[in-house]
Amino acid sequence: DVKVTQSSRYLVKRTGEKVFLECVQDMDHENMFWYRQDPGLGLRLIYFSYDVKMKEKGDIPEGYSVSREKKERFSLILESASTNQTSMYLCASSSLGVGDYEQYFGPGTRLTVT
Amino acid sequence: KQEVTQIPAALSVPEGENLVLNCSFTDSAIYNLQWFRQDPGKGLTSLLLIQSSQREQTSGRLNASLDKSSGRSTLYIAASQPGDSATYLCAVRLGSNYQLIWGAGTKLIIKP
Repeated sequence: DVKVTQSSRYLVKRTGEKVFLECVQDMDHENMFWYRQDPGLGLRLIYFSYDVKMKEKGDIPEGYSVSREKKERFSLILESASTNQTSMYLCASSSLGVGDYEQYFGPGTRLTVT
Repeated sequence: KQEVTQIPAALSVPEGENLVLNCSFTDSAIYNLQWFRQDPGKGLTSLLLIQSSQREQTSGRLNASLDKSSGRSTLYIAASQPGDSATYLCAVRLGSNYQLIWGAGTKLIIKP
């Protein structure tokens, strides 16, 4: 059974704090993604990675950075959290080879920045 | 620029009814289309994935169709149950890049 886990389900941080969101997948997938989801806006891609130490900006990378030191782990970093980063953060992974490229999602982290 | 639209944003129907959720996209050059389910406060579960060369996919009471020429996909749910209540999202994948383009979702409520 495929599995994507995220380090926290709920997180409350103060403005200006450095925040780490971690995602781990056990499917040996090459691709990993970070999205944020806000009401009425759907999912928006922040960053993705197609290999260890590789990263690509998505649609809204400003204010975020990522780290992928190991294939199974993809971290999202908020260098200095702001209230407009209050959101649901979703991690996903998919395989790279020929096929459906189906994405598998973690349960999400609801981040509140006060 | 590809845009994905889901209308209506919310839908409420009595239990037992068959229903259709709609997804439209502006550019027919898609690689595949995927339907997801999201329960409140939780992540997404993939329901069905349709390749661009396919017309439909079925899983249990769910049937998804794809008409690329008209830029539409539908998700048909037969004999709806209260447990089907969730937000349903569709997403299209463009060519060989890794990004999905998402609709905002339809929130479905099945009344007992």
